[in-house]
Amino acid sequence: EVQLVESGGGLVQRGGSLRLSCAASGFSFGSTWMSWVRQAPGKGLEWVANIKEDGGEKNYGDSVKGRFTIYRDNARNLLYLKLNSLRAEDTAVYYCVRDTSVKLNTMWYDALDVWGQGTMVTVSS
Amino acid sequence: AIQMTQSPSSLSASVGDRVIISCRASQGIRNDLGWYQQKPGKAPKLLIFAASSLQGGVPSRFSGSGSGTDFTLTISSLQPEDFATYYCLQDYSYPRTFGQGTKVEI
Repeated sequence: EVQLVESGGGLVQRGGSLRLSCAASGFSFGSTWMSWVRQAPGKGLEWVANIKEDGGEKNYGDSVKGRFTIYRDNARNLLYLKLNSLRAEDTAVYYCVRDTSVKLNTMWYDALDVWGQGTMVTVSS
Repeated sequence: AIQMTQSPSSLSASVGDRVIISCRASQGIRNDLGWYQQKPGKAPKLLIFAASSLQGGVPSRFSGSGSGTDFTLTISSLQPEDFATYYCLQDYSYPRTFGQGTKVEI
């Protein structure tokens, strides 16, 4: 069964740090991009970051650039998100997501096709 | 960053209705767009990618269309399990951006 399980969320003070983990199983983790997406309470979805199969390319959303770091351990099938300089507006459920590429005819298209159950991060002021 | 604007923000519908949700990009994104369904307390689920390709296991009453800046998600005959919030996502360029969501209610 393809599965993503996040952990590491919790309550942290403003300005503090936290590391989220995501354990992947049931697919070839080292062969796929991975993303983090978050959702503040009662709000919409926000794409946070993604990372290439080998970790050699990373992309970030504007609101987290310079504060968050995405990385991975392919030997252990683990994805991470290090959250630094946390703000109240970082309070959200953080989802780990498989970032698949699908070839249609001659073109490649991206899709967030497998989602974890999410881990809650609460930043207190 | 590319802005994605969905309309309407919410809608009321009945079982059996045809429902259309729109998503507009602030610049052309070819057909690099996906649609996601989210039910309360649950993780989002991929419905459509590449603007019109149905994800495996998704009922055929869901369809997507559009290219460039204007896109639509159509539910041909709304079922009870379709009451949820729907989001579009552009993956044409970084940072990826979601629409604000459309809540489909009874």
